[in-house]
Amino acid sequence: EEKLLESGGGVVQPGGSLRLSCAASGFKFNGFPMHWVRQAPGKGLEWLSLISGDGSYIHYADSVKGRFTISRDNSQESLHLQMNSLTTEDSALYYCTKEAYGTSSSALWGQGTLVFVSS
Amino acid sequence: DIQVAQSPSSLSASVGDTVTLTCQTSHYVDKFLNWYQQKRGQAPKLLIYAAFNLHAGAPSRFSGSGSGTQFSLTITGLQPEDSATYYCQQSYSAPYTFGQGTKLDIK
Repeated sequence: EEKLLESGGGVVQPGGSLRLSCAASGFKFNGFPMHWVRQAPGKGLEWLSLISGDGSYIHYADSVKGRFTISRDNSQESLHLQMNSLTTEDSALYYCTKEAYGTSSSALWGQGTLVFVSS
Repeated sequence: DIQVAQSPSSLSASVGDTVTLTCQTSHYVDKFLNWYQQKRGQAPKLLIYAAFNLHAGAPSRFSGSGSGTQFSLTITGLQPEDSATYYCQQSYSAPYTFGQGTKLDIK
């Protein structure tokens, strides 16, 4: 069974940093681009970033460009999101997703890890 | 960036009804438009990818259509478990923006 399990969320002060991780299982991890998507409490979905299967192509949403860094370790079948200079606007549930069908759609989602930025 | 607008923002319908949700993009996205269902307290699930393709495991009462900038999701024969928020997303050009969602209530 294909699964994604996020971790690393928590409470952090404004200006602080967090590193989120996503453990993948049940599929050939290095064969698929991966994405991060977030959802603020009571709000809609916001796409954040994607990384290609070999890590050579990366893209960010403007809202996180320069502050967040996506990476992957194919040997460990894990995806990461390094988040720096956090603000209260970054408080959200963060999902990792697996792309499929070659259409950049997110076919598999984890359950999310919660980030709360507060002083 | 490509903007994505969904309508209506919410609607209420009865079991057995047929409903259509729409999604409009600010720029041409060919067929690269996806639909997701999110139930309360759960992660989103992919329903339709590339405008009209049913994701494995999604019920056949869900169908998608459209191309270019205008798209729709139709649910034929609503079931109580279809109560959810539905999001569309363009995956033609990064950043892969989502619409604001349509909340569907079942009477």
